[in-house]
Formats: sequence, C-alpha cells, structure tokens
Amino acid sequence: GAVVSQHPSRVICKSGTSVKIECRSLDFQATTMFWYRQFPKQSLMLMATSNEGSKATYEQGVEKDKFLINHASLTLSTLTVTSAHPEDSSFYICSARDLATPENIQYFGAGTRLSVL
Amino acid sequence: AQKVTQAQTEISVVEKEDVTLDCVYETRDTTYYLFWYKQPPSGELVFLIRRNSFDEQNEISGRYSWNFQKSTSSFNFTITASQVVDSAVYFCALSEGPYGNNRLAFGKGNQVVVIP
Repeated sequence: GAVVSQHPSRVICKSGTSVKIECRSLDFQATTMFWYRQFPKQSLMLMATSNEGSKATYEQGVEKDKFLINHASLTLSTLTVTSAHPEDSSFYICSARDLATPENIQYFGAGTRLSVL
Repeated sequence: AQKVTQAQTEISVVEKEDVTLDCVYETRDTTYYLFWYKQPPSGELVFLIRRNSFDEQNEISGRYSWNFQKSTSSFNFTITASQVVDSAVYFCALSEGPYGNNRLAFGKGNQVVVIP
C-alpha cells in the first residue's frame, strides 16, 4: 500500500513554544490530507481537512489560529501547534488520500506524540 | 450525521481462540463506505478493509473475515485462531458519499489482547 511518513514521531516541548509536524505522501500525490487527534484510549477525532493550494477546512471547535495547517505541495502537509500548552498534549496523526487508486483509501502516518511540559 | 458504535471496549482472548468485533453504524446516506483499521501499540493505523454499501458480500482474507449486514447496519470483524501479534486496537469507520473519500467517522475502537 501507499506510504505516508509523519515526523517527528515524538516531541517534548516547553509550554509556549510552537511545534511543527510534517506529513508526507512518499509514493503518491495527495491533494487532500487529514489531521486527526487522539487522546489516550480514545478514538480519532478529525481536526481539519488539508487541501493542496487552498485553506484548510477545520472541524467545529478546532481553533484555526492554534492549529495552523499548510498544504503547499501535493506530497506535504504541515500542522503547527502554536504556543503549545499542556492541554495540547496528545497523539496527532495524519492521513492522505490516494486519488490514483480505484479504492481511494486514506493511508495513515505513524503519528506524533506531543508532550507539552 | 454519521455515527459508528463499537460497544466492546476491551476483549481478552487466549491465543488460537477466535474473536469477533462488532461494529454498528448509522447514516442517512444510501451510498457509503465502511472501513476497519488496526492500530498496534506503535500507533500507526493499518488499513484492513474497505466495503461499499452496495456490496454485501462477506470477505475473508487469511485469518480475517468480515460480515456486512445492511439490514442490521452492522459490519463485524472476526479474527480466527488469534495470535499475539493481533493484539492491537481495531477501529471501525464510516465515510459517507459516493467515493468513500470523505471524512472518516471512527468508532471508539476495540482493544484486543491476545494472551499467549
């Protein structure tokens, strides 16, 4: 299957700093990528849909100024958690949609575990 | 609104036993897609299967099998002769729309623990 690379896998930062997470589709082009958040032992909650060349679409309750998304190319989307606070500590996972395949499946990255001290 | 229910939170089985994970969904769309993903302890989500609403055929892939019952809005997943490597969280997900490429709504997941 298609490969989605997500970096970093883990980050620990001080409160108030900003953290950038990258999501790359390695062997396919993705006009659309998705960003999810997962709390411990919880399900995945969609945060936003990232569209190449246009503004991201955020889910209700997700602060767009807090979670900046940039999708500048067909293989890369970034999520920046600005001025991170302990309540932002979570597991963030991205997915990319491979439009070239008939199944049109979302493939997921390995996730980023963010810990804000 | 779309909704996916996975009632069993944690299931423990002894190795070589079978385990069935239930998934019940709600949608008003006549065209939709159902998915199962596996999330091992490392965290990544591994795609297992995709099924569209017009295809009610059951599917078997190795030790995995899926039973899609549109009449009861269920898409259950069975692991036969479980192995320790099957220990993971399994998510059922629903995507509405004709191409299954829209946002995924996930269930809460089933934590499967296979005891050697």
